[in-house]
Amino acid sequence: SQTIHQWPATLVQPVGSPLSLECTVEGTSNPNLYWYRQAAGRGLQLLFYSVGIGQISSEVPQNLSASRPQDRQFILSSKKLLLSDSGFYLCAWKEGLAIDTQYFGPGTRLTVL
Amino acid sequence: GDSVTQMEGPVTLSEEAFLTINCTYTATGYPSLFWYVQYPGEGLQLLLKATKADDKGSNKGFEATYRKETTSFHLEKGSVQVSDSAVYFCALTNQNTGNQFYFGTGTSLTVIP
Repeated sequence: SQTIHQWPATLVQPVGSPLSLECTVEGTSNPNLYWYRQAAGRGLQLLFYSVGIGQISSEVPQNLSASRPQDRQFILSSKKLLLSDSGFYLCAWKEGLAIDTQYFGPGTRLTVL
Repeated sequence: GDSVTQMEGPVTLSEEAFLTINCTYTATGYPSLFWYVQYPGEGLQLLLKATKADDKGSNKGFEATYRKETTSFHLEKGSVQVSDSAVYFCALTNQNTGNQFYFGTGTSLTVIP
């Protein structure tokens, strides 16, 4: 069966520091991968998605970037964090181009101080 | 573009009360519709889905019927429990935008004993 992992689970970082969040998926090949952000009490904001290695689509201009160095690995990064980057970051995957369910990871709680 | 509108929260119900959370959508073509649930501090979990008109998705006592004539996918449960307290998200995807999901803003449900 497929599983999705995210780490770290929680992170407290000072303003201006770098960020690296990692997401990996097991038990599937060539998944579509997604990064979402959920601000406190708010809905989901799609940040990036990827349909293959090295292919990244950005949905909103921001302080963040994403990379997909391996088929089942998706990384969210920032060179300098802002206070507004605080939130709950969710990674998700789904099977290729099929119209199918997105499956979410457990999330990373990021607090920027 | 495609979008999902769901009922504003928060919703507070007594245990064993009837639950309805409204969801309407705008989409081209024939979207697939989903309900996800998010428990505190966790990622989103698929609750149920429907892939064509008049389909009924059901799981854990929750039901939702895909109504194309009213472009709706309302979530219902006959008798809620304290353990149903969570945030509920309506979502859609379709073959015209097969790589993206569109989520509603979420409805927070609190069930009191």
